[in-house]
Amino acid sequence: DAKTTQPTSMDCAEGRAANLPCNHSTISGNEYVYWYRQIHSQGPQYIIHGLKNNETNEMASLIITEDRKSSTLILPHATLRDTAVYYCIVRLETSGSRLTFGEGTQLTVNP
Amino acid sequence: KAGVTQTPRYLIKTRGQQVTLSCSPISGHRSVSWYQQTPGQGLQFLFEYFSETQRNKGNFPGRFSGRQFSNSRSEMNVSTLELGDSALYLCASSLRSGAPGGNYGYTFGSGTRLTVV
Repeated sequence: DAKTTQPTSMDCAEGRAANLPCNHSTISGNEYVYWYRQIHSQGPQYIIHGLKNNETNEMASLIITEDRKSSTLILPHATLRDTAVYYCIVRLETSGSRLTFGEGTQLTVNP
Repeated sequence: KAGVTQTPRYLIKTRGQQVTLSCSPISGHRSVSWYQQTPGQGLQFLFEYFSETQRNKGNFPGRFSGRQFSNSRSEMNVSTLELGDSALYLCASSLRSGAPGGNYGYTFGSGTRLTVV
């Protein structure tokens, strides 16, 4: 799995967009970028993943740079319930069942 | 649909004892993975079971073991408990083994918080 670097913490105002960056400069051509989040006292929750193209689902958007060395998770209208630790994971889609979680970014959404 | 159910939610054990934790996956999911989460080490993969077979194993001592039943429910066992085993133990279920995104994305339970005294 490629190494990822995320800021330790970020703040966002409720209702505004939250943009969470992730650097993965050693990513290989077939590795995907996955995002999970963990709300306090709960298990991690899958958010979104992508390979090259930008992706959007009902939870978030994922923007991957053209060189694929970094990506940004966007929560378009953050709510207090989005306060959580966000994990960026880079790995092959078929590299087994293990997920390697780093330290992630603690996002705090403020009223 | 019902989520991933882990029991018990909280547990206190004494050093040297053994413990069994249970995980009921989402109906139809055949893959169950277990993780340990501690403040110092973060989330660490323990093992995965798929169709009653262990598919993958993390770097934990042999005191940590697991199994999966024909209905996909899984148990993990820790023998000879140590203080350092105090942690949140999470299980995740998936339709398919080894595909962590999209429709096959892992769904985690809320965990069992084990305290060893």
